Amino acid sequence: AQRVTQPEKLLSVFKGAPVELKCNYSYSGSPELFWYVQYSRQRLQLLLRHISRESIKGFTADLNKGETSFHLKKPFAQEEDSAMYYCALRSWSNYQLIWGAGTKLIIKP
Amino acid sequence: GAGVSQSPSNKVTEKGKDVELRCDPISGHTALYWYRQRLGQGLEFLIYFQGNSAPDKSGLPSDRFSAERTGESVSTLTIQRTQQEDSAVYLCASSLATSGGLQVEQYFGPGTRLTVT
Repeated sequence: AQRVTQPEKLLSVFKGAPVELKCNYSYSGSPELFWYVQYSRQRLQLLLRHISRESIKGFTADLNKGETSFHLKKPFAQEEDSAMYYCALRSWSNYQLIWGAGTKLIIKP
Repeated sequence: GAGVSQSPSNKVTEKGKDVELRCDPISGHTALYWYRQRLGQGLEFLIYFQGNSAPDKSGLPSDRFSAERTGESVSTLTIQRTQQEDSAVYLCASSLATSGGLQVEQYFGPGTRLTVT
């Protein structure tokens, strides 16, 4: 079964510290993986997708097929990074996104 | 340009009543999606429209849920005989048409918070 797991409901780190938001997936085949972010009082929006191999707002995420993980990382957290982060998976065979439960990231000053 | 809009933003209804939620996608987006998000949980796919047709309705939780889309624009999600477990945020998203394995970004609306008392 296709599944996305975000083990941490809440992650709190100090400003300037490294951040890693965990995402593990279950899928037989080659998935496409995404990170979406929702800032306070704003809409859910795409942060990055693994296929683009890009860095957005200092965040990167590497797909590790051996560990079936797609952890989101940032070397130096900033206060404006505080938000809800969702990991999502899409199979190549259809359009559906399978979502993790989300991690609330709090950056302490 | 205008993003995806949803109305109402909040809806409180009594158990057993019907509710209708509306979504206005971004102009030109032929694909439209409905999701449900219960408190503390991830998004749950409900239904997807490509144009006016819904190729996959398997995510609808029960026959009390239905959705339609007219004119490749507005979509309405109707929940009949609401139950307390229907309480959630209902999110709508739209995108350009998906084709083959090409993933296009989904743009989300602000959601409708439904509370069934």
